[in-house]
Amino acid sequence: GNSVTQMEGPVTLSEEAFLTINCTYTATGYPSLFWYVQYPGEGLQLLLKATKADDKGSNKGFEATYRKETTSFHLEKGSVQVSDSAVYFCALSEFWGGGGADGLTFGKGTHLIIQP
Amino acid sequence: NAGVTQTPKFRVLKTGQSMTLLCAQDMNHEYMYWYRQDPGMGLRLIHYSVGEGTTAKGEVPDGYNVSRLKKQNFLLGLESAAPSQTSVYFCASSEGIAGGINTGELFFGEGSRLTVL
Repeated sequence: GNSVTQMEGPVTLSEEAFLTINCTYTATGYPSLFWYVQYPGEGLQLLLKATKADDKGSNKGFEATYRKETTSFHLEKGSVQVSDSAVYFCALSEFWGGGGADGLTFGKGTHLIIQP
Repeated sequence: NAGVTQTPKFRVLKTGQSMTLLCAQDMNHEYMYWYRQDPGMGLRLIHYSVGEGTTAKGEVPDGYNVSRLKKQNFLLGLESAAPSQTSVYFCASSEGIAGGINTGELFFGEGSRLTVL
């Protein structure tokens, strides 16, 4: 079956530090990959995505590159802010050539804390 | 824009009571989902629906039932609540297949926190 593994944290960084959150996956097909972010008291919202190998997703200063050879989709940001404090979820969606209806497979989430 | 709306946002139940969580989306999405979020477990899929009148089991369906009588609504029911069902429940929707490619993006509601005593 499909699975997503990510560091759980909490990860505590100082403002303006460099961020990396590792994510690796196992899939039987050729998935699309996602990072979702959950701010305190809110639902999940899409941060970025990539649908094929070597694609780079980016948004709000965050980036992640789809690496098929290492089955990874690590999230990076060059300079984090206090407002980036949230829980980050890596996820995959299996492409079954018309299927993939059963939602996303999520990692357990990484709690990120940015200190001023 | 409302997006995905869940009601109620908070509820406390006693063991054995029943309740229904309502999810409504105004994006004309085909697919809808119910997830539960528990500490250290991430999000786990309970049930999902690929269209009006259809439902299917996810990873953790036991103790829950669902219905999708209207395209915009997806109801999650607990017939006899148990303390193990204390959780935060998230509804999500997606447009499904677009041009033959599953875009995969889900749109989430704000969550419903359920406590079973």
